[in-house]
Amino acid sequence: AQSVTQLGSHVSVSEGALVLLRCNYSSSVPPYLFWYVQYPNQGLQLLLKYTSAATLVKGINGFEAEFKKSETSFHLTKPSAHMSDAAEYFCAVSDRKAKGGGADGLTFGKGTHLIIQP
Amino acid sequence: EAGVAQSPRYKIIEKRQSVAFWCNPISGHATLYWYQQILGQGPKLLIQFQNNGVVDDSQLPKDRFSAERLKGVDSTLKIQPAKLEDSAVYLCASSLVAEARLRHNEQYFGPGTRLTVT
Repeated sequence: AQSVTQLGSHVSVSEGALVLLRCNYSSSVPPYLFWYVQYPNQGLQLLLKYTSAATLVKGINGFEAEFKKSETSFHLTKPSAHMSDAAEYFCAVSDRKAKGGGADGLTFGKGTHLIIQP
Repeated sequence: EAGVAQSPRYKIIEKRQSVAFWCNPISGHATLYWYQQILGQGPKLLIQFQNNGVVDDSQLPKDRFSAERLKGVDSTLKIQPAKLEDSAVYLCASSLVAEARLRHNEQYFGPGTRLTVT
């Protein structure tokens, strides 16, 4: 089974600084990779996804992530942090093959809580 | 477009009691998922439906958890009897995809039901 590791349960950056959230996956073949954001008391919202097209993926709210096969990584970045970026971020991989077709269920990392300091 | 609806938003029960959660996916979405998110962890897939059939329930504790999607639209997840360790947020998600080549299709999440077992 595939797995996802997010380094750092909490990351704190100053407003306007670079945001870097780390994600590594384990897989024998390149998987589909996702970043989701979760605001308090809300469901998860997709930021971006890698589906074996371009290795540099651009998402919403100025976020982007780069797939690096040699490093089995899919780190999330944003050049300049805003206060509104404070939230929980989850990296996820699509793994098990659903026997009936359709999109596979996701395996999530434990999440990284992003704190923005004024 | 209306999002994924879930109810109730919050539920508090005593151990050994029963509880049920309801989910109405986005109209036209063939695939429906239930995830369990324990505090401090990423969501874990419990069960996946394709229309009204189960395609993956490998991580569902079948001795106490059950789920159904009788008409291929809304779904109910039940716990009977509940244990303390079932305290979590239960997330429902749906996906439009119906073809294997679109296995990476985006999943849309509801706000979740927060269950507290005392």
